Amino acid sequence: NAGVTQTPKFRVLKTGQSMTLLCAQDMNHEYMYWYRQDPGMGLRLIHYSVGEGTTAKGEVPDGYNVSRLKKQNFLLGLESAAPSQTSVYFCASSIENRFVGSGNQETQYFGPGTRLLVL
Amino acid sequence: KQEVTQIPAALSVPEGENLVLNCSFTDSAIYNLQWFRQDPGKGLTSLLLIQSSQREQTSGRLNASLDKSSGRSTLYIAASQPGDSATYLCAVRAGNNRKLIWGLGTSLAVNP
Repeated sequence: NAGVTQTPKFRVLKTGQSMTLLCAQDMNHEYMYWYRQDPGMGLRLIHYSVGEGTTAKGEVPDGYNVSRLKKQNFLLGLESAAPSQTSVYFCASSIENRFVGSGNQETQYFGPGTRLLVL
Repeated sequence: KQEVTQIPAALSVPEGENLVLNCSFTDSAIYNLQWFRQDPGKGLTSLLLIQSSQREQTSGRLNASLDKSSGRSTLYIAASQPGDSATYLCAVRAGNNRKLIWGLGTSLAVNP
């Protein structure tokens, strides 16, 4: 199993350009998440999905859109990139996202990240 | 508002030393606490998850403890190795919701 993969690994954008980050998981997980990680800020949740066809806002959703058309894929879109969106973006997935049984089903599996620089 | 703090921000130790990483949280009403490892340029890997009803969890050379009343968790690493060099993050689930509150991490360097 490849686990969670992210495409691309690195991207440079100019202000106002658009792009889509792709996350794919082959573990048949229901839940998927997009985070951004910034120095001194810790990880922050952008959007998440509780299943195919569903999406929900996290802590910092402004400026981003997401789609979960297929269970294994979770796309993060930037319609008009801004320098404030320069960050490292991580995708994660989990079987569950609340306490079920032993709780191990909550464990989130992370992708390797996408480094985005917006000039 | 739940806040998670990790001290120290960075730690350098010689190989073989036993060490403790600290995580504190401001609201004791947590659902669970998790420890993750992040290697440079890579994603995060879950190490241990402690439910609020538990006091500790162990995996190999790692032992995580939880004291809700004092708002603290520690990650104990026994007989540290250079391969343990990474950033260790803790995250708290505040209630049965989908939100994790993250610390900024402790950057650990284990020197041969």
